[in-house]
Amino acid sequence: AQRVTQPEKLLSVFKGAPVELKCNYSYSGSPELFWYVQYSRQRLQLLLRHISRESIKGFTADLNKGETSFHLKKPFAQEEDSAMYYCALGGSGTYKYIFGTGTRLKVLA
Amino acid sequence: DAGITQSPRHKVTETGTPVTLRCHQTENHRYMYWYRQDPGHGLRLIHYSYGVKDTDKGEVSDGYSVSRSKTEDFLLTLESATSSQTSVYFCAIRQGVSNTEAFFGQGTRLTVV
Repeated sequence: AQRVTQPEKLLSVFKGAPVELKCNYSYSGSPELFWYVQYSRQRLQLLLRHISRESIKGFTADLNKGETSFHLKKPFAQEEDSAMYYCALGGSGTYKYIFGTGTRLKVLA
Repeated sequence: DAGITQSPRHKVTETGTPVTLRCHQTENHRYMYWYRQDPGHGLRLIHYSYGVKDTDKGEVSDGYSVSRSKTEDFLLTLESATSSQTSVYFCAIRQGVSNTEAFFGQGTRLTVV
């Protein structure tokens, strides 16, 4: 079965502090992991995907197949990072594309 | 932004009535998805399509049906709306399934009274 777990509903950090949003997955095939961000009242948009290993807006994420995790990290949080973050899972051999329950990030001044 | 639009954007309907939401794309993408977004539950997959007339159930398909008679349109129907189907519904499209991102519509806020 395909499953994505985001254990934190809400994460509050102070501006300038490091951020880590957790994502764990379950999938029997070769997984493809993504992070999406949703700013207030806007549609979801892609933040990054594991295959490209890029850094967007200072965020990075590394796929750890041993721990079945794809945690999102940023060394210094900014107030404009406040948003809802979703981890998504696709994969070889499936058309399904599923999301976790999301984590709301609040960056405090 | 990808050419994907949802209609209507807002709807209030009564319990027991049928409701159809439309997702229209101009990108000629093969894969289309319907999700509902609820606090505490995130985005849950209702149905998806991998081609014209090819659809399958997602995680929360009970009470919903879909149709895709042409590439650009993916319709979601609530056969007999219930209050538990009050939600924000998002449509998404993908060009492929291998490491391709999803593009989302603006969402439809549905209230069942």
